[in-house]
Amino acid sequence: DQQVKQNSPSLSVQEGRISILNCDYTNSMFDYFLWYKKYPAEGPTFLISISSIKDKNEDGRFTVFLNKSAKHLSLHIVPSQPGDSAVYFCAASPGGGADGLTFGKGTHLIIQP
Amino acid sequence: GAVVSQHPSWVICKSGTSVKIECRSLDFQATTMFWYRQFPKQSLMLMATSNEGSKATYEQGVEKDKFLINHASLTLSTLTVTSAHPEDSSFYICSSGSGTSLPDTQYFGPGTRLTVL
Repeated sequence: DQQVKQNSPSLSVQEGRISILNCDYTNSMFDYFLWYKKYPAEGPTFLISISSIKDKNEDGRFTVFLNKSAKHLSLHIVPSQPGDSAVYFCAASPGGGADGLTFGKGTHLIIQP
Repeated sequence: GAVVSQHPSWVICKSGTSVKIECRSLDFQATTMFWYRQFPKQSLMLMATSNEGSKATYEQGVEKDKFLINHASLTLSTLTVTSAHPEDSSFYICSSGSGTSLPDTQYFGPGTRLTVL
C-alpha cells in the first residue's frame, strides 16, 4: 500500500509557464515533506521542504504548498525552464533526521521550448 | 551541501556471487546512513537504517541475512548483497544524515546500478 502517491507519471509544460506537481499521502504520522529532483542513474537532489506546521514554503522559483486536512501537497515551479526537465519525487518523513524517507513514484516533468 | 560518494557506480555479477557497495560521506560525519533501492519506474524504497557502531534496522520484507550492512565508521557504510540473484538487479542509493537534524540534511549518493546475470 503506497503511503505517498504521485498520480501523474508525467507532465509536459511549456517553457516560461507554471509547472504544478502534485502529491498525496495517507499516513497521518508524516510530519515533514520534501521534494527531490532526479536524473537517471543519479541520486536525488534536495529541492525544498515543508513542515506540517506550515502551509507554504518558498525558495526562489520553487514553492511548496501543504494542505494537511486533505493530505495533499504540491510543488509549483515558475517560470519553468528547460533545465527543470527531470523526475520529481515527493517524500515524507515522521519528522526526524533519524528516520528514512517514504517516496512517491515520481513525476517526469518535461519542459517544452 | 555535503558530498556522499558510492562505489562502484555500476557492477555486473554472476548469480550466486556477493557484491559489496560502499557509501562514504566525504566532508562530514554521518551517524546515520540509509540504504534505498529503486526498481525501474518505481519509487525509492527504504531498505534499512544503519547507525554507526550498532546493528542496522531493516524495513519489513528486507532480508537482513541477504543484505548485510556494516557502518563501522562515521564516514563509511557498506551494503553487501549476498548470493545475488537476477531479481536483486536494481539501483541502490545511500543517503547520510546526522541523525538528529531535519530530514533536509539527508544527502544522497549517486547510486550504484547492480545487474545480476
